[in-house]
Amino acid sequence: DQQVKQNSPSLSVQEGRISILNCDYTNSMFDYFLWYKKYPAEGPTFLISISSIKDKNEDGRFTVFLNKSAKHLSLHIVPSQPGDSAVYFCAASGINFNKFYFGSGTKLNVKP
Amino acid sequence: DAGVTQSPTHLIKTRGQQVTLRCSPKSGHDTVSWYQQALGQGPQFIFQYYEEEERQRGNFPDRFSGHQFPNYSSELNVNALLLGDSALYLCASSLAVEISTDTQYFGPGTRLTVL
Repeated sequence: DQQVKQNSPSLSVQEGRISILNCDYTNSMFDYFLWYKKYPAEGPTFLISISSIKDKNEDGRFTVFLNKSAKHLSLHIVPSQPGDSAVYFCAASGINFNKFYFGSGTKLNVKP
Repeated sequence: DAGVTQSPTHLIKTRGQQVTLRCSPKSGHDTVSWYQQALGQGPQFIFQYYEEEERQRGNFPDRFSGHQFPNYSSELNVNALLLGDSALYLCASSLAVEISTDTQYFGPGTRLTVL
């Protein structure tokens, strides 16, 4: 069962512009969400998280927005840099889940 | 701090064989989770070990088993390998009583190819 979905397999953005990566989930019990970045031949690296008590969390160029009513979250990268080119995974969990559910990933390409 | 380490990096096996993958968690972490990432998909949770016991399990058959040692390192064993077991196997560690709200740190993974 695909409880976390990333419907865009890839995204191409010009350097300096905004990148918006989207993620949808189906389980209303999820209350904690994370974004991971993955380079080839490396494991996923934690990027930013948000709990359901917030609707926005910001860390430098990265901002995650959560819309609980729509069961949707998004990651904004501003400004985008070529080094941001990677696969981005969103993940979700909740109290007593003791595990994370991952989306299938979005491959971001930032063009110089 | 070496972070999460996994061995081996790559592995090639044939159908029906057995394989053991190893993981050392980040220093100070006591919980280890294993994930399978098939090509083009996100990581799928296999199971999690805490205090040397399997605490949570995903939707994987009994051919997948694991172990956690007193030093918190862990092994993933897969018996009777199938072609569909070919994937990147990721280990993640964390330190939390409530794992669902703690950040997991991933290792680089072991690429298993079953021929």
